[in-house]
Amino acid sequence: NAGVTQTPKFQVLKTGQSMTLQCAQDMNHNSMYWYRQDPGMGLRLIYYSASEGTTDKGEVPDGYNVSRLKKQNFLLGLESAAPSQTSVYFCASSPLLNTRVSEAFFGQGTRLTVV
Amino acid sequence: KNQVEQSPQSLIILEGKNCTLQCNYTVSPFSNLRWYKQDTGRGPVSLTIMTFSENTKSNGRYTATLDADTKQSSLHTTASQLSDSASYICVVSAGLNAGNMLTFGGGTRLMVKP
Repeated sequence: NAGVTQTPKFQVLKTGQSMTLQCAQDMNHNSMYWYRQDPGMGLRLIYYSASEGTTDKGEVPDGYNVSRLKKQNFLLGLESAAPSQTSVYFCASSPLLNTRVSEAFFGQGTRLTVV
Repeated sequence: KNQVEQSPQSLIILEGKNCTLQCNYTVSPFSNLRWYKQDTGRGPVSLTIMTFSENTKSNGRYTATLDADTKQSSLHTTASQLSDSASYICVVSAGLNAGNMLTFGGGTRLMVKP
């Protein structure tokens, strides 16, 4: 059982380039999330999706877009990469939204560097 | 603003010793509190989830406590092993509408030395 799989694991971008981070889960979870983790700070929510076809902004959505066309996939796009977006990105999924006691499973992370 | 504060920021202990990590939160209204273990270069993995009515929960050598009155939680590890070296993250969920989110602490980095 793979759980939550993120690709790529590492990426270097030049300022202004665009890219898409991919996330796939095989647990048939309804909810999926994208977080970023910066040194010394807790994970911060970028976007989440309560169910297939729906997405909502989290705490730090600026400069990102998302897509949830299939239940098992949640894509995070960077429209025009900036050095401030250098971070480790984590995708997570859970059976239900986090407001309930619902276990969240995280991917291995994508380390993104914008130069 | 919802906040989760963890202490200490880092800790070094010897193999076989016990340790306790602390978490204070100001999240309202409270729904549940979670402890995660994050190995270097990996995603967080859940250790425990506690609701308002639970004040102790164990998972192997890990025991979490919750005092909802003082808004404090602790994670106690017994007989530490080298593999316990990781960051431990306290996460609190608020019981608001469907758009609410988890609030993550900054983590405690634990190093277990032989």
